[in-house]
Formats: sequence, structure tokens, C-alpha cells
Amino acid sequence: GENVEQHPSTLSVQEGDSAVIKCTYSDSASNYFPWYKQELGKRPQLIIDIRSNVGEKKDQRIAVTLNKTAKHFSLHITETQPEDSAVYFCAASLSRNKLTFGTGTQLKVEL
Amino acid sequence: GAVVSQHPSRVICKSGTSVKIECRSLDFQATTMFWYRQFPKQSLMLMATSNEGSKATYEQGVEKDKFLINHASLTLSTLTVTSAHPEDSSFYICSANTGTQLPSGNTIYFGEGSWLTVV
Repeated sequence: GENVEQHPSTLSVQEGDSAVIKCTYSDSASNYFPWYKQELGKRPQLIIDIRSNVGEKKDQRIAVTLNKTAKHFSLHITETQPEDSAVYFCAASLSRNKLTFGTGTQLKVEL
Repeated sequence: GAVVSQHPSRVICKSGTSVKIECRSLDFQATTMFWYRQFPKQSLMLMATSNEGSKATYEQGVEKDKFLINHASLTLSTLTVTSAHPEDSSFYICSANTGTQLPSGNTIYFGEGSWLTVV
């Protein structure tokens, strides 16, 4: 089955700096790669996603890149703000059904 | 508003008893729903795929006799944790894909999640 690795497990940045989180996946059949932000005790919130036929997608301060050949994808957050502090999960899926999640990254944006 | 609703949000039960968690799709029919478990400070792990009208498909290592899944209608899947033990204490969350039934189109939605504490 699919296996998703995520790095780093913790990331601390200064407000205004950029943050990058990286994930790799194992199943070349996966074609949908969402990123979620999760606050303690709450459901994951989709922040951006990308399909396998696209190399990059951007939504304001958030961008995701996908390298199908290398089977890795990354989340980029620019101009970080304190409210960006949370746990972020990458995931991989075939046709937007069951998700295989990465191990999570605790992002802390310091003032 | 909520597209997938989960109940209860929190439940405390005694060791050895069973507890049922419901996951409902609102305004769309879900022939398939997914159940995940998340231990504190860990990732979400898929437990099983709930299939309407047929048996659930369990992931490796998940005991099907302990985690009973019933998907008797197109809008409701239930997860019953039987003979619960303290190690079953966790955050359980369901998801479903709306397909083309809603304007959002082919989108995965999560329920609110259920915190289970077994004492």
C-alpha cells in the first residue's frame, strides 16, 4: 500500500519568514495530494491540494509543488503569521478516496 | 454548513463496554465512507472503508470484531468500539467524498471527530 513520509516533524520560523514542508510517497498510482491544517481536537482543514497532472499550484501565501518522477511534493507558506501555527499533514490518495497521511509537522511561527 | 456530521463529539465509557459513533452525510449520498483513528500527537491512520450494503474493508492490523462498522443506509455509517479498553482512547474521525452531488464537486469532507476516553 501507499506510504507517505513527511519532514520535518517540527518547524519553527520567525514571523514573516517562509516555511517549507516536504513529503514523499511510494505508490506511483496516487494522483491526488492534499495538505491539511489541523488544530488540536478538530477535524483536518484542507488548505491546498494538487493533482498529479499539475506541477505547481498557488493560493495566496500558500503553494504546493509536485514532482511525479521523484514522487515528492512540498508545501510552501510565505510571509508566515502567528495564526499559521498548527500541525500540518500531507496526504496521498487515488481518486480522492481513502487518504494516506504523512506523520505531520508542528509549525510554530514566532513573533 | 457541515457536509459530514459526526456524533458524539466526546464520549467517556467504562472499560469493557461498547460505544457507537455515527457518521452522517448531509445533502448527499455516500456509498463509501472512511474511518480514521488519531492518537494524541500522531497522524491520522485509516482504519477501514465503510461500504453501503456490504462488509467493511479493514486495514491491516485493525480488528474487525472489535471495531464493528455498519453502513446500512446511503447517509449513515456507524463505528462501534466493542469491549473498549483504555488503549482504545483516541480521536476517531470519518470522511466521505461528495462526488458530483454537490457544487463543490469531488471533495473529501471530514466529520467533526469523536474523542473517546475509556476509563
